[in-house]
Amino acid sequence: GEDVEQSLFLSVREGDSSVINCTYTDSSSTYLYWYKQEPGAGLQLLTYIFSNMDMKQDQRLTVLLNKKDKHLSLRIADTQTGDSAIYFCAEMEGGFQKLVFGTGTRLLVSP
Amino acid sequence: DAGVIQSPRHEVTEMGQEVTLRCKPISGHDYLFWYRQTMMRGLELLIYFNNNVPIDDSGMPEDRFSAKMPNASFSTLKIQPSEPRDSAVYFCASSFRVVGRGNTIYFGEGSWLTVV
Repeated sequence: GEDVEQSLFLSVREGDSSVINCTYTDSSSTYLYWYKQEPGAGLQLLTYIFSNMDMKQDQRLTVLLNKKDKHLSLRIADTQTGDSAIYFCAEMEGGFQKLVFGTGTRLLVSP
Repeated sequence: DAGVIQSPRHEVTEMGQEVTLRCKPISGHDYLFWYRQTMMRGLELLIYFNNNVPIDDSGMPEDRFSAKMPNASFSTLKIQPSEPRDSAVYFCASSFRVVGRGNTIYFGEGSWLTVV
């Protein structure tokens, strides 16, 4: 079955760049997503990338996709303390409508 | 625009009681999803609907769980009888499919269930 893996924890200093990595197994995935979850809140959609793209930029966020290695990354430029949260990578199963989520990466930004 | 609305936000109940979680999807969305989040298992898809019809309920843990979607603007997830291991955050999400853009799924704030 499908599997999405992420490292559990990342700590950076304010102003640095953060890079959160994700690997997935379903080669038929059509879309890949990044969600952010703050404490006590739901999941907020940050960005997504179609599988025929290798990069997408949206303000401070850059998504890189290496389809050959099934590797996805999220880079946050100029990380702020407000970016501290759990970040989830998710893949959409090809032909289906359901998301399979990774375990989440807890990002801690220190002043 | 109002997002996905869930109620109750928090519920504490005794083991054996019936629990009903409610969801109002975003207007115009034709897919509705119920997810469960726990520390041990992360985010799991329980069931999803398309145009009010259940499409995949393979994630529903057991017969104690049931979900309905009587119309396009309302869904319920029911647990009867509840057990302590059902304690989790239950998320409802909705989406619509845009040709060429796939499915963008929006989540509610979650219902935080504690069964004691």
